[in-house]
Amino acid sequence: DTEVTQTPKHLVMGMTNKKSLKCEQHMGHRAMYWYKQKAKKPPELMFVYSYEKLSINESVPSRFSPECPNSSLLNLHLHALQPEDSALYLCASSQVGRGIVLRSYEQYFGPGTRLTVT
Amino acid sequence: GENVEQHPSTLSVQEGDSAVIKCTYSDSASNYFPWYKQELGKRPQLIIDIRSNVGEKKDQRIAVTLNKTAKHFSLHITETQPEDSAVYFCAASKRDSGAGSYQLTFGKGTKLSVIP
Repeated sequence: DTEVTQTPKHLVMGMTNKKSLKCEQHMGHRAMYWYKQKAKKPPELMFVYSYEKLSINESVPSRFSPECPNSSLLNLHLHALQPEDSALYLCASSQVGRGIVLRSYEQYFGPGTRLTVT
Repeated sequence: GENVEQHPSTLSVQEGDSAVIKCTYSDSASNYFPWYKQELGKRPQLIIDIRSNVGEKKDQRIAVTLNKTAKHFSLHITETQPEDSAVYFCAASKRDSGAGSYQLTFGKGTKLSVIP
């Protein structure tokens, strides 16, 4: 199984709402990623989890709160978002490098959640 | 941090012609260079990748070349077909030696249109 799944596919929320995005993979990957992609732009890294611990936070506003409850699941909790946060939110996963060999591994992307903030 | 430049931003070719997209990177520690194809409204799909210990890799109509000295890499698509029309992103990556995860830095993308 080489698939990363995300729910929901589409989400419309008001600026006062609280919602969550979910991501799941069953490839045994121990690194999981959140990206934000605006129209006609490349994906921008938001957060990286490695072995369920947050390893990178790319200065993302606190209205985005990531959570990694276990090695297969990644959530993104949303609260008090702004209209400019409307975007495609992509989850990805990869193997984790070990030891002194600095080999990089492929990142597999989920289909994304199309978020609209009204 | 890493900076990836990608050219051209748009590319139109006739069906059957070749297409070439070029990228440069800045961080000599980057050691993995994937290429993603993204169709409208869909996820980025890995189409080919190359590691820094290899100069060229080919998969059917797609090939990637890497020049580590010059810090540039290129995607070559031969015998283009209308279904090759999409946005193509190059990326550069290196491992976070502490956490073991990888940070992908993407180029800005190339919109390829293959005209039947």
